[in-house]
Amino acid sequence: DAGITQSPRHKVTETGTPVTLRCHQTENHRYMYWYRQDPGHGLRLIHYSYGVKDTDKGEVSDGYSVSRSKTEDFLLTLESATSSQTSVYFCAISEGQHEQFFGPGTRLTVL
Amino acid sequence: AQSVTQLDSHVSVSEGTPVLLRCNYSSSYSPSLFWYVQHPNKGLQLLLKYTSAATLVKGINGFEAEFKKSETSFHLTKPSAHMSDAAEYFCVVSDEGGGADGLTFGKGTHLIIQP
Repeated sequence: DAGITQSPRHKVTETGTPVTLRCHQTENHRYMYWYRQDPGHGLRLIHYSYGVKDTDKGEVSDGYSVSRSKTEDFLLTLESATSSQTSVYFCAISEGQHEQFFGPGTRLTVL
Repeated sequence: AQSVTQLDSHVSVSEGTPVLLRCNYSSSYSPSLFWYVQHPNKGLQLLLKYTSAATLVKGINGFEAEFKKSETSFHLTKPSAHMSDAAEYFCVVSDEGGGADGLTFGKGTHLIIQP
């Protein structure tokens, strides 16, 4: 998986609780991305980063925030989890603006 | 604006027969195109990519794709299917003019291999 790890791999939480997912890379790539994958929707971009402390919103950013204080780490936070945020979350990295390499995913269930 | 349409949500073939997964795209610029594969409970793996060099692109595991600008297509093929090819396949387009968020994913094609 191109030196990308995600933690946790599985999480069950309750509505209204904060949740943070971590993506860690060892490739020193500039760009990092968070996607969610849901049946019938493919992958949808939540947020992305183009450098340390440089982030921007994607297609489905409402209810999510991100932070990148180091090149190798990109955190996704759900401030107050809702059932609609039950999904599989994928982190990806890239060096340029083309092919991306994906992590193994985090399965999040919000009860 | 760019978009990608995978024409079949499910494709079923018998082991040993050819595979064809269809993808059409639209793009305002000279696009880069990719196919990714996702096996159950796994992340996405890059199969192959087209970036304005040869129009016939060879990827891993015997897969190929041909970029046809006149038809705005980038279909994925394999001469002989294996059981291990059963997975979800995503066609992806990237505009040269796009920003860092410039990848657009198709909704996926589920490939089923019959024994």
